[in-house]
Amino acid sequence: ETGVTQTPRHLVMGMTNKKSLKCEQHLGHNAMYWYKQSAKKPLELMFVYNFKEQTENNSVPSRFSPECPNSSHLFLHLHTLQPEDSALYLCASSPNGGHTNYGYTFGSGTRLTVV
Amino acid sequence: QKEVEQNSGPLSVPEGAIASLNCTYSDRGSQSFFWYRQYSGKSPELIMFIYSNGDKEDGRFTAQLNKASQYVSLLIRDSQPSDSATYLCAVIPPQGAQKLVFGQGTRLTINP
Repeated sequence: ETGVTQTPRHLVMGMTNKKSLKCEQHLGHNAMYWYKQSAKKPLELMFVYNFKEQTENNSVPSRFSPECPNSSHLFLHLHTLQPEDSALYLCASSPNGGHTNYGYTFGSGTRLTVV
Repeated sequence: QKEVEQNSGPLSVPEGAIASLNCTYSDRGSQSFFWYRQYSGKSPELIMFIYSNGDKEDGRFTAQLNKASQYVSLLIRDSQPSDSATYLCAVIPPQGAQKLVFGQGTRLTINP
């Protein structure tokens, strides 16, 4: 596989469930990101990992818990979510987290619905 | 004030015409600017980036940057129906080289 792969593509979960989103990049990049995209709102940065160290948490509620075991894999663990958390969750990577002058490569996203 | 502002549209352009998409940003020290295209239900894909004042051309696409006016634009010449998508402007702010800040996007429709 090439590029940035996200699984699952679609997820429906209840407010009491625990689930995880997975992201894997095959580009040799050092930085990985989670973004949230809601209808009619700009992409919202959630977390940044650079060389598997978290370098930014953009005031994200604790019901979202990221994990980055290595530079190629990124997870987003979800628990006790709210219906307003329903959105498209996008993972991205970039070659050098310190200088993102090359832009990001995005995965296909996970469409999350909280019921 | 939003960090990156775009007119959400929709912007309708006839096939073959020039589509002009605009973006303004609030942080004067911002250095790098990007245009992404996002088809409905798909993830954003990078189509252009620009760092220096002036124009940068790539095929039918031209990015224009004016740092004094804090303005970046994207021109699409000879617009095709396949260009119909949401176009996202993104900026690296001066205080955060590790993140891209996005505008809300402009929905573009090319009418055959």
